[in-house]
Amino acid sequence: GAVVSQHPSWVICKSGTSVKIECRSLDFQATTMFWYRQFPKQSLMLMATSNEGSKATYEQGVEKDKFLINHASLTLSTLTVTSAHPEDSSFYICSARAGGHITGELFFGEGSRLTVL
Amino acid sequence: AQSVTQLDSQVPVFEEAPVELRCNYSSSVSVYLFWYVQYPNQGLQLLLKYLSGSTLVKGINGFEAEFNKSQTSFHLRKPSVHISDTAEYFCAVSTYNTDKLIFGTGTRLQVFP
Repeated sequence: GAVVSQHPSWVICKSGTSVKIECRSLDFQATTMFWYRQFPKQSLMLMATSNEGSKATYEQGVEKDKFLINHASLTLSTLTVTSAHPEDSSFYICSARAGGHITGELFFGEGSRLTVL
Repeated sequence: AQSVTQLDSQVPVFEEAPVELRCNYSSSVSVYLFWYVQYPNQGLQLLLKYLSGSTLVKGINGFEAEFNKSQTSFHLRKPSVHISDTAEYFCAVSTYNTDKLIFGTGTRLQVFP
């Protein structure tokens, strides 16, 4: 099956710094990628839809200036958490839809755990 | 708008026993339904999906699910669980005109020896 990879898997940073998380589709091109946030023992909450070559579409309540998303190529989307604070600590997961695959099927990355001290 | 309800937050079961994880959805249009499994500190892995056709769907690791339109349910079942099935299971829904997946709150399956 298709493979989606995230980097880094773990990141610890100081409050006030910015952190970038990468999401790559390794063996297919993804015009659309999705970013989710998962709190401990909770479900995945969709943050935004990342579209290659255009601006991301954010879900209601998600701060665009806080969570910067860039989808510069068909295989890479990045999520930058700007001026991170402890409440931004979470598990961030990306997913990508492969062209030619059955509609609705998404492939997920392994997730990136962010801890802000 | 679509929504997904997983009634059981935790399901404890002994090894080799059968298990059913419940999922109900709400939607005004036709849906696609999915079950994903998440092992600790990992992303999600697709177990099975219902897009159309036969309402009984078989997935990986011996899991199956049945789409019941009248009851708006998509319960996940396995006739005999293993210790390795211990994980978080998420039911999700999407529609034909959107790429978005809406997830349920998850069910923690704990298999005991």
